[in-house]
Amino acid sequence: GEDVEQSLFLSVREGDSSVINCTYTDSSSTYLYWYKQEPGAGLQLLTYIFSNMDMKQDQRLTVLLNKKDKHLSLRIADTQTGDSAIYFCAETRGNFNKFYFGSGTKLNVKP
Amino acid sequence: EAQVTQNPRYLITVTGKKLTVTCSQNMNHEYMSWYRQDPGLGLRQIYYSMNVEVTDKGDVPEGYKVSRKEKRNFPLILESPSPNQTSLYFCASSRAGTSGGRQFFGPGTRLTVL
Repeated sequence: GEDVEQSLFLSVREGDSSVINCTYTDSSSTYLYWYKQEPGAGLQLLTYIFSNMDMKQDQRLTVLLNKKDKHLSLRIADTQTGDSAIYFCAETRGNFNKFYFGSGTKLNVKP
Repeated sequence: EAQVTQNPRYLITVTGKKLTVTCSQNMNHEYMSWYRQDPGLGLRQIYYSMNVEVTDKGDVPEGYKVSRKEKRNFPLILESPSPNQTSLYFCASSRAGTSGGRQFFGPGTRLTVL
């Protein structure tokens, strides 16, 4: 995880948009992922993007990839209290089977 | 129900006492993997397996062993646990050829080594 960095906390109000950011250092990254972890549970894949894409949208989720700056972001539109969780970005590099995770961003959604 | 199960869910043990954490999946997945989660460090991959009898090291394999004798099971073995292996462990599985991204995670095993 030391090569994949995220801020630790984010607090937003219900109904606002949330933007969670991630930076990575390996330019050979192939796939980049966003996972969600709810309290006491394992990780759940939210979405992923291939490194030759700039953007991917899936309902309330928008992923932006800036490969030049090695910056990945996840935007959650109309954030709900049920979105409160820890969000991890992750990458696979040349070997699709090895994963590298960030330290996670804890999203707190206030009613 | 499609799932990944881990046992035990909680374990407190002492230094040097061999232990095994089991992982089983019922989805006929080829790919399985073990991670540890530590505060401030996110998840770090310990070992992974592409199929039966095919395993490889992840980022932090030291002090761990794995085996893949059957497709559904992927146990994690700590031959001589030490306090720095106190952590939350997750097993995951996925189909091969999907870059491994769509992994299904188990509920986790919280291990404390005294």
